[in-house]
Amino acid sequence: IQMTQSPSSLSASVGDKITLTCRAGQSIATYLNWYQQKPGKAPKLLIYAASSLQSGVPSRFSGRGSGTDFTLTISGLQPEDFATYYCQQSYTTPIFTFGPGTNVDIK
Amino acid sequence: EVQLVQSGGGLVKPGESLRLSCAASGFTFSFSTYNMNWVRQAPGKGLEWVSSIAYSGDNIHYADSVKGRFTISRDNAKNSVYLQMDNLRAEDTAIYFCAREEEGLYGAQDYWGQGTLVTVSS
Repeated sequence: IQMTQSPSSLSASVGDKITLTCRAGQSIATYLNWYQQKPGKAPKLLIYAASSLQSGVPSRFSGRGSGTDFTLTISGLQPEDFATYYCQQSYTTPIFTFGPGTNVDIK
Repeated sequence: EVQLVQSGGGLVKPGESLRLSCAASGFTFSFSTYNMNWVRQAPGKGLEWVSSIAYSGDNIHYADSVKGRFTISRDNAKNSVYLQMDNLRAEDTAIYFCAREEEGLYGAQDYWGQGTLVTVSS
């Protein structure tokens, strides 16, 4: 299943509300996960099952969607949120596909 | 505290082999809800799922890009998962991460190793 993300990059300021989009090539129900990755670090799980917040992740992160269209929203961007965000489908588990990523940098 | 500590990796020539290891601690490694995965990231590129192995070791899958060359295995007695990489190619150059897959989280990977660099170059 092919995954696409938009935009590929985004410039924003601290305090902004931003929304990232992920689209699946076919319906994946809500088997969609979001990860954050900072340079030189391993990815970190933020959201699973499209909208469930992983333990320990701040509530400013939220996810929505089902079927083929999904969003990740960060409400009130913090300095530590500047990173690359990847979506991943787990509908075909144990085979997975990641999206190409969205890089969020400082305006 | 859940930890995945990776070892192995390094510089090899095309056609050579390498074995990566990932030692788990802080959870019951052999528990039925924990499958293990390898994910890689080429320099400056995105994430690519490579392989997965079920808790019992009997349900194994590979990405087409590595099928027939890579072998995943696990030793539940040693709380470890391995990736044997044979006939390596330049395009296998990447940081390799092991990751725990939690079935209760819709298959999401909730814990990751620190990553290990594999460089394939003559």
